[in-house]
Amino acid sequence: NAGVTQTPKFRVLKTGQSMTLLCAQDMNHEYMYWYRQDPGMGLRLIHYSVGEGTTAKGEVPDGYNVSRLKKQNFLLGLESAAPSQTSVYFCASKTSFDEQFFGPGTRLTVL
Amino acid sequence: AQTVTQSQPEMSVQEAETVTLSCTYDTSENNYYLFWYKQPPSRQMILVIRQEAYKQQNATENRFSVNFQKAAKSFSLKISDSQLGDTAMYFCAFMNRNSGNTPLVFGKGTRLSVIA
Repeated sequence: NAGVTQTPKFRVLKTGQSMTLLCAQDMNHEYMYWYRQDPGMGLRLIHYSVGEGTTAKGEVPDGYNVSRLKKQNFLLGLESAAPSQTSVYFCASKTSFDEQFFGPGTRLTVL
Repeated sequence: AQTVTQSQPEMSVQEAETVTLSCTYDTSENNYYLFWYKQPPSRQMILVIRQEAYKQQNATENRFSVNFQKAAKSFSLKISDSQLGDTAMYFCAFMNRNSGNTPLVFGKGTRLSVIA
């Protein structure tokens, strides 16, 4: 039982490049979330999903897109990376009224 | 919308001493969870303790306990017998229980250093 995993763990991009972050969970959780963590800002919600095939915007969705084609996977995409997207990204999942389980995070640097 | 405020950006404590981290929140909901998460240098988010709003009894987990004051919307974390491994960022978080899909709302965190 791996819990929540994230791929990759580290990535460096140049401005304008694109990439996809993959989140996978093996706990059969309905709900999945993408957060970003910046110094002094805590964790802020980017997008979330309440089930396979559904997504919704969070607090800071601009510049990101997401997809949930399979229940166990939640993808976060950056179409044209900007230095302001340099951050640590966390994925989380949960059942309806339970705690969230977090992945190990992805450190992304955009030059 | 809910907000969570942690007013202490940094704190330090001597090993074996007790320290209290503050958290206040603002909500019009009556049914919710409150959490404390620990984030050590490894970056992993680790759940420390959870409090259900309808429970009057304060939650405890070994050396960790909370002081939940619902009327004051206050949720502080007390760490007893502090250990070097407690050095981490600590985040207070709120979750509305009236809807199953609501995400966590986090405070900005408190960086705790335990000094030998």
